[in-house]
Amino acid sequence: GENVEQHPSTLSVQEGDSAVIKCTYSDSASNYFPWYKQELGKRPQLIIDIRSNVGEKKDQRIAVTLNKTAKHFSLHITETQPEDSAVYFCAACPGGGYNKLIFGAGTRLAVHP
Amino acid sequence: GAVVSQHPSWVICKSGTSVKIECRSLDFQATTMFWYRQFPKQSLMLMATSNEGSKATYEQGVEKDKFLINHASLTLSTLTVTSAHPEDSSFYICSGRTSPQETQYFGPGTRLLVL
Repeated sequence: GENVEQHPSTLSVQEGDSAVIKCTYSDSASNYFPWYKQELGKRPQLIIDIRSNVGEKKDQRIAVTLNKTAKHFSLHITETQPEDSAVYFCAACPGGGYNKLIFGAGTRLAVHP
Repeated sequence: GAVVSQHPSWVICKSGTSVKIECRSLDFQATTMFWYRQFPKQSLMLMATSNEGSKATYEQGVEKDKFLINHASLTLSTLTVTSAHPEDSSFYICSGRTSPQETQYFGPGTRLLVL
């Protein structure tokens, strides 16, 4: 089945710097890749997603890139702010029925003022 | 985005009792709902996929007789943890989706503590 690996597990940056989180997936039939932000004790919130028919998507300070050949996708956060501090999860939706999401292990991002 | 609620938000129970968690889609019809379990500082682990009116599909290693899932309507799914034990203590989160082309929207989670 699908396996998603996420790196790094922790990331510490200074306010204003950029942060990059990378994920790889194993199922070449996967076609949907969302990113979620989860603050402590709260629900995961969708921040951006990308489908397999595009290579890049941007929403203000957040962007996601997808390389289908290499089977990896990345989250880029520019001009980081303290409120960006949270755990970020990537996920992949493998092909086939039910379209479940397989999540990466998560990246704990700390943005220091 | 769409709104999903869960009830209760937290529950403490004695070992051996059963606990029911409700997941509701408030402003959309969730043809499919998913149940996840999340241990502290870990990722979301999919337990089962539930389609309205059908039996749930459980992930490998998840006991279907212990974690009973019912999805009787397009806006409600329930997870019942039967004969709960301390190792079942976790954060249980549901999500709902309208169609395979749409994203999943998560509930706020239910924190279960079994004493």
